[in-house]
Amino acid sequence: EAQVTQNPRYLITVTGKKLTVTCSQNMNHEYMSWYRQDPGLGLRQIYYSMNVEVTDKGDVPEGYKVSRKEKRNFPLILESPSPNQTSLYFCASMRWGQLNQPQHFGDGTRLSIL
Amino acid sequence: DQQVKQNSPSLSVQEGRISILNCDYTNSMFDYFLWYKKYPAEGPTFLISISSIKDKNEDGRFTVFLNKSAKHLSLHIVPSQPGDSAVYFCAASESGGSNYKLTFGKGTLLTVNP
Repeated sequence: EAQVTQNPRYLITVTGKKLTVTCSQNMNHEYMSWYRQDPGLGLRQIYYSMNVEVTDKGDVPEGYKVSRKEKRNFPLILESPSPNQTSLYFCASMRWGQLNQPQHFGDGTRLSIL
Repeated sequence: DQQVKQNSPSLSVQEGRISILNCDYTNSMFDYFLWYKKYPAEGPTFLISISSIKDKNEDGRFTVFLNKSAKHLSLHIVPSQPGDSAVYFCAASESGGSNYKLTFGKGTLLTVNP
């Protein structure tokens, strides 16, 4: 089954404790992206990657890092989490190189930073 | 500045009737538009899309209409079913941009009553 898998689905942690949210897709998609969803703000892009070793900032990259060492994986790293990063996070992937392709989303990771 | 607006936070319709969800955008560079459906505790699921060269796209019970001059699109669901009850997000992107970022509206909660 074609899917985007995120782990963990839920995490409660404390300020300053480094954490990583993993994202993996099995569709051989070149493009991957991270979004966060906050009440009243919709989904906003954090980082994206056009392919292996190619990443760039989205609209709200502060406090986050990403890496793309393999095509299927695109982890989101919070080096020193803060309470304002409490949010619902979604990873997405898309086939690149063909015009007008939809992005496919994972089921989300709810992070609570205390 | 919100570039994609869904002005109705919620909509309630009777089973079997038509559901019409609306979306407005301000960025004239957007040329690809998508609708996603989201159930609680799941990620957004791609529903239907339309490129700016078309004014209508149909897929089963779902039809999207695009009015470029008014910068307006709508999603019609006919007939509506209780299983359609979900949050619907309108999204837009620039296919010629360097980033395939999706800009989302805030969503409309559709409730289909049996």
